[in-house]
Amino acid sequence: AQTVTQSQPEMSVQEAETVTLSCTYDTSENNYYLFWYKQPPSRQMILVIRQEAYKQQNATENRFSVNFQKAAKSFSLKISDSQLGDTAMYFCAFMKHKGISNFGNEKLTFGTGTRLTIIP
Amino acid sequence: KAGVTQTPRYLIKTRGQQVTLSCSPISGHRSVSWYQQTPGQGLQFLFEYFSETQRNKGNFPGRFSGRQFSNSRSEMNVSTLELGDSALYLCASSLGSYANYGYTFGSGTRLTVV
Repeated sequence: AQTVTQSQPEMSVQEAETVTLSCTYDTSENNYYLFWYKQPPSRQMILVIRQEAYKQQNATENRFSVNFQKAAKSFSLKISDSQLGDTAMYFCAFMKHKGISNFGNEKLTFGTGTRLTIIP
Repeated sequence: KAGVTQTPRYLIKTRGQQVTLSCSPISGHRSVSWYQQTPGQGLQFLFEYFSETQRNKGNFPGRFSGRQFSNSRSEMNVSTLELGDSALYLCASSLGSYANYGYTFGSGTRLTVV
């Protein structure tokens, strides 16, 4: 079974600063996906960024980037030039890669989340 | 295009009753999954449906069930409600194809059992 650990329950940072959220995971799988989701007070889980384990290059989406260390099983999220709208719960999630002959989707295993507050 | 739609947004039920929650996935998405979110247990996987078949199930009692229709819309049902079933229930849809781009979530149904 997979486990995902987020060791920072809460973080706060000044607007325009850079913040890094930590995530570690444990798995015996070799092929998998890692995600960061954001959940603002509106409750909807929004996909922030996605990383495929077989890709060595770290994923980047505008102000969001990850530091993926497969050997260390670490997957941190860096938010640059933080904005007030970045205030939310952030969840790290793991999904194993399903086989080519399998239909449907594998489940997401989530961490416990980090509550991020951007201070004006 | 329209996102994942969950109805109702809020629900209050009495212990012992049953409840049905609805989820309409993004058009073209054939995989629908359900998650329960509580402060104590976090986000936990309930089940996943693809082409009207349950493909995967989490560790929940048999009181939790679901189904998927031919248009990919899904419902989940909880019978004999308990106080501990109070939670945010999130539905997520995806293509379900080999190229996995992750899930798109709805805004959830907040269920309160009194």
